[in-house]
Order: sequence, then structure tokens, then C-alpha cells
Amino acid sequence: DADVTQTPRNRITKTGKRIMLECSQTKGHDRMYWYRQDPGLGLRLIYYSFDVKDINKGEISDGYSVSRQAQAKFSLSLESAIPNQTALYFCATSDPGTQTYNEQFFGPGTRLTVL
Amino acid sequence: AQSVTQPDIHITVSEGASLELRCNYSYGATPYLFWYVQSPGQGLQLLLKYFSGDTLVQGIKGFEAEFKRSQSSFNLRKPSVHWSDAAEYFCAVGAATNAGKSTFGDGTTLTVKP
Repeated sequence: DADVTQTPRNRITKTGKRIMLECSQTKGHDRMYWYRQDPGLGLRLIYYSFDVKDINKGEISDGYSVSRQAQAKFSLSLESAIPNQTALYFCATSDPGTQTYNEQFFGPGTRLTVL
Repeated sequence: AQSVTQPDIHITVSEGASLELRCNYSYGATPYLFWYVQSPGQGLQLLLKYFSGDTLVQGIKGFEAEFKRSQSSFNLRKPSVHWSDAAEYFCAVGAATNAGKSTFGDGTTLTVKP
């Protein structure tokens, strides 16, 4: 079984709709991240969470919100989707150990299309 | 602030040829450096990482990378490329003082010719 799972894997929605992307992990990691990937732009950090009570904005948080329901679950919401939010979204985790906590473990991604 | 530059957007090599993907970083202190690979339709997988110690690090799938502090580089190499290596490769930099976050380069797409 995959350590980091994302649902749905693909989603097509319309402008103005609210949509939630979900991420679950079985790695036992405290830290979770949401990234957006656009062609030629690499990965950009949307939000990150160090535990269920600690949520932080990344570099491109406008238009997004998150919820950390439990250590293992971190959801990303688009309150009112717009076409330029069409992208590939990745969830990742990391372990705040002494030297490994920058290493990130990625889910398979959610391809979102906003029409 | 930390940053990563991957100068090559797209590289094409013949199967069996050697490969070098370039990565330059900017960070004031000793960075944590990573190379990830993304196969089509897949998430990112860690190839190798550098935290400290030996500047030549070995990774999975026959890849290696060398940290050169004087050049602020962490180039990825493979002596003989296989068709299955065709993918997108991302260099990333993190730091102990950056709360576990990593900054990613824009990626290099590798095409392997038969």
C-alpha cells in the first residue's frame, strides 16, 4: 500500500465550484505539505502543517485553504475554483528527525482541471 | 532566501550515453540538497540526498551527485542512461533553519533516444 495517498486522482470542475483535495499518509510523519505543479514552474508550496494545530501559508496560498483533520490527514480546498488553478497538485510529508526532515515523501498527485 | 536553478529545461541523450543534469543553488549556510525524479503520471521519488560528509553521494537507479560548495552546485550524473530513465528531474534545497521546507528547481525533462 502507498504511504501517501491522494484523492481524487483526477478531477474536472467548473469555475466557481468549491472543491476539496484529500491527502492521507501512513508514514506517521508530523509534517505535511501541499504543492502545485505547473509546466516549467517546478513545485510551488501552497500550505504546510507541522501538526494538527500548526498550519502555515506557503508562497502561493491565495485562493486556497487547508484543514489538518488528524496527523494523517491534510486536505486542500479551493473555495471558488478558477481556470488558472488548473494544475497538478501534490501532497507530501516529512519527518522532523535530526537530519532527514527536509526529505519529502510525495503522493501520486491530483490532476485538477477548472473549466 | 534559498533558491535553485536548473539551467537545462530539456535534455536529450542516446541510450547508453552518459548524463549530467545541472543544479545550482543559493543559500547562505550549508544546504540540504536533493534530487527527485518524476516519471510520467507519477509523484516525485527521491533519488539521492546530501546533508554532510562525503561530497559524492550515491543514489538509487545508478545515479550519483557531487556537491561542490565553491561552485554552489549539485549536479546529477549517470554513466549509462537507460530508456526507463526518461522522466523529469527536480533539484531541491532545504535547510535546518527553514522549518523543513524545500525549494524546488523548475525541473529538467530528460528524453532518451533509442
